[in-house]
Amino acid sequence: QSVLTQPPSVSAAPGQKVTISCSGSSSNIGNNYVSWYQQLPGTAPKLLIYDNNNRPSGIPDRFSGSKSGTSATLGITGLQTGDEADYYCGTWDSSLSAGVFGGGTKLTVL
Amino acid sequence: EVQLVESGGGLVKPGGSLRLSCAASGFTFSSYSMNWVRQAPGKGLEWVSSISSSSSYIYYADSVKGRFTISRDNAKNSLYLQMNSLRAEDTAVYYCAREGSGDSGYFDYWGQGTLVTVSS
Repeated sequence: QSVLTQPPSVSAAPGQKVTISCSGSSSNIGNNYVSWYQQLPGTAPKLLIYDNNNRPSGIPDRFSGSKSGTSATLGITGLQTGDEADYYCGTWDSSLSAGVFGGGTKLTVL
Repeated sequence: EVQLVESGGGLVKPGGSLRLSCAASGFTFSSYSMNWVRQAPGKGLEWVSSISSSSSYIYYADSVKGRFTISRDNAKNSLYLQMNSLRAEDTAVYYCAREGSGDSGYFDYWGQGTLVTVSS
């Protein structure tokens, strides 16, 4: 059971928009920055969003992040088949003194 | 170019030990906190441990506390994970990950991972 809660799967058609939610508590998301990672099949995770809503260089602006209270959201617009991957949210939990991840969300682009 | 290369994985019997290494290059290793993150087969990411740039601050997941020890050698640009009393549930790909600057706790670069299999 992950500390952060994500939907197991989401799907949408090419060109459409999708959002992935990440729910936590005051000890993690509520008081710490959230990051998002993309993991393509058979590869290492890749940073997509850091500090709630910032994109590293090279990440297209189709990817966006937001945070409100104890929840965070990853948005992806203009979906492409190449976006099919597992997506994870992550943050620090101040009560646990530990890093925490969501259980991951599998994105299918129909 | 930032590179993180893990090594040391393999097959080990329950109760056994293994030492993972992560060789870093392309950045000033001594300026960054480093982490180990693992992923069991077909499962999600699990944070394992972190160590600050000067080794002053070290944290562990409850699942490995008392069995795993993280360390680093800044002179050798290397990160280590000593794993003792290994269990079947420790079977996973272990990733070395650099923590981004500041205290935000995000991982901006990841290695390719090394597979640890605990089985008799």
